[in-house]
Amino acid sequence: AQSVTQLGSHVSVSEGALVLLRCNYSSSVPPYLFWYVQYPNQGLQLLLKYTSAATLVKGINGFEAEFKKSETSFHLTKPSAHMSDAAEYFCAVSDHGNQGGKLIFGQGTELSVKP
Amino acid sequence: ETGVTQSPTHLIKTRGQQVTLRCSSQSGHNTVSWYQQALGQGPQFIFQYYREEENGRGNFPPRFSGLQFPNYSSELNVNALELDDSALYLCASSLGAGTQPYEQYFGPGTRLTVT
Repeated sequence: AQSVTQLGSHVSVSEGALVLLRCNYSSSVPPYLFWYVQYPNQGLQLLLKYTSAATLVKGINGFEAEFKKSETSFHLTKPSAHMSDAAEYFCAVSDHGNQGGKLIFGQGTELSVKP
Repeated sequence: ETGVTQSPTHLIKTRGQQVTLRCSSQSGHNTVSWYQQALGQGPQFIFQYYREEENGRGNFPPRFSGLQFPNYSSELNVNALELDDSALYLCASSLGAGTQPYEQYFGPGTRLTVT
C-alpha cells in the first residue's frame, strides 16, 4: 500500500532563503507523486507532478522537486522564498493500481516566511 | 474554462441530520473524487466516480454515499451526522480514471460543522 510521510509539520524561513520541504513515500508500484499547496480557506492547487519521466520536476511559482528512488524521497525546493509562499503544502502519491488514481496525502507542512 | 465549483461554502448541521454537498467538475472532466480534510490533517479519500459509477472507495462508513450525474457533476451525501464529520470536504475532478496519473483539480471545498 502506498503512503506518504512529510517530515516537519512546520517550517519557517526568512524571505529570500531556500525553501526545503521534505517528503518520503512508500509504494509497491512505480509511484506517481504530487505536491499541492493550500492557502487559508481555499482548496488545493497543484504545484507539480512526477510521473516517471524526468526526475527533476519543475512546477509553478518557482518550485521544483527531485524524485530519488534510492531514498524514496520527493522533496520540494525553491531557491528564494517569497512572502506569498506562506501556505500549507501537501505531498501526495497516487494509488493508481486499483482505485482510479486516488491520492494519498501526507499530513502537510505549514510554511511560514519571515520578512 | 470553468474550474471546479462546490456548494455550499459553509454549512452548519446538528448531529443526526443529513447533508448533501454538491460539486461541478471542470469542463471536459469525467471523474470526480471526494476527500475529507479534518482540521490540521491531510485530505482523506472518500470515494471516486467515473462516468457515473463508483470507482473506488476509502475507509468511510456506508452513511457516506455519492452520485455522479450525466453532466459529470456530483453529490456527496452524509447521513446520521456525527461530530467527527466536521471537516472541509473537497471535490476534485480529473480527466479519466484507471492507471493514468491524471491530475486532480480541486474545488474550494465545503466547510461542514456538526454541532
